[in-house]
Amino acid sequence: NAGVTQTPKFRILKIGQSMTLQCTQDMNHNYMYWYRQDPGMGLKLIYYSVGAGITDKGEVPNGYNVSRSTTEDFPLRLELAAPSQTSVYFCASSLLLGVAGDRYEQYFGPGTRLTVT
Amino acid sequence: DAKTTQPPSMDCAEGRAANLPCNHSTISGNEYVYWYRQIHSQGPQYIIHGLKNNETNEMASLIITEDRKSSTLILPHATLRDTAVYYCIASYGDKLIFGTGTRLQVFP
Repeated sequence: NAGVTQTPKFRILKIGQSMTLQCTQDMNHNYMYWYRQDPGMGLKLIYYSVGAGITDKGEVPNGYNVSRSTTEDFPLRLELAAPSQTSVYFCASSLLLGVAGDRYEQYFGPGTRLTVT
Repeated sequence: DAKTTQPPSMDCAEGRAANLPCNHSTISGNEYVYWYRQIHSQGPQYIIHGLKNNETNEMASLIITEDRKSSTLILPHATLRDTAVYYCIASYGDKLIFGTGTRLQVFP
C-alpha cells in the first residue's frame, strides 16, 4: 500500500490564484482530513469527511473547499489564494472501527508546502 | 475536546527513558488520550492512545492517572531517531485538536 499520497509536494501561488491540493489513500479508510500547519505551530483541522459524499468544517475552513466523491480521494480547493494561506498542508485518513469514540490512528501524508506571494 | 498542556521542550539522553507529561484536567469521561509525534517536517505519526487503563505497544507506554487529569508517555529506551515534537490530544469523536506539543531532543 502507498498509504496517503499528496500532490504537489511544493507550490508557489500568486495572490488571487486558485489551486487544488490532491490527496489519495489506498487503505479503504472511511475518514479523511485536511490540516494546515503554520511555522512553529500545531496542526489545525480545515475540513474532514466521514465518507463519500459527506464533508464537514473543522477549525479553520474559511478560504477552502472540499469534496469527497470517492472513498479514495479528498481534494482541497483554494480559491483566491492569500498570503495567510502560506502553510504546510497535511492530508490524513483513518478507519472507524470498534466502539464510538475509540478512534483508530490517523495516517498522514507527506504534506504540501504552499507559498502565496 | 479538552485542552491539554505540555512542556514546550525536554531533553533526554540516548538509551534512557523519556517521560513526557501531559495535563488534561478538564477531560470528560468519554474522551480518549492520544499521542502523536512529528519528526522534522514529516506528517504526524500515531504512537498510542488510551481511555482509563495504562497501555503499551511496541513504541511506547501510556500511563493515565486514576482521576484522568494527566498522563505520561514513556519511551523506554530513547534513540536519536525519537527526536521529534510529541503531541498529546484529548478527544472524543471525529476530530483531533493538535496543540503545540513538546519538542523532545535526544542527545548522544
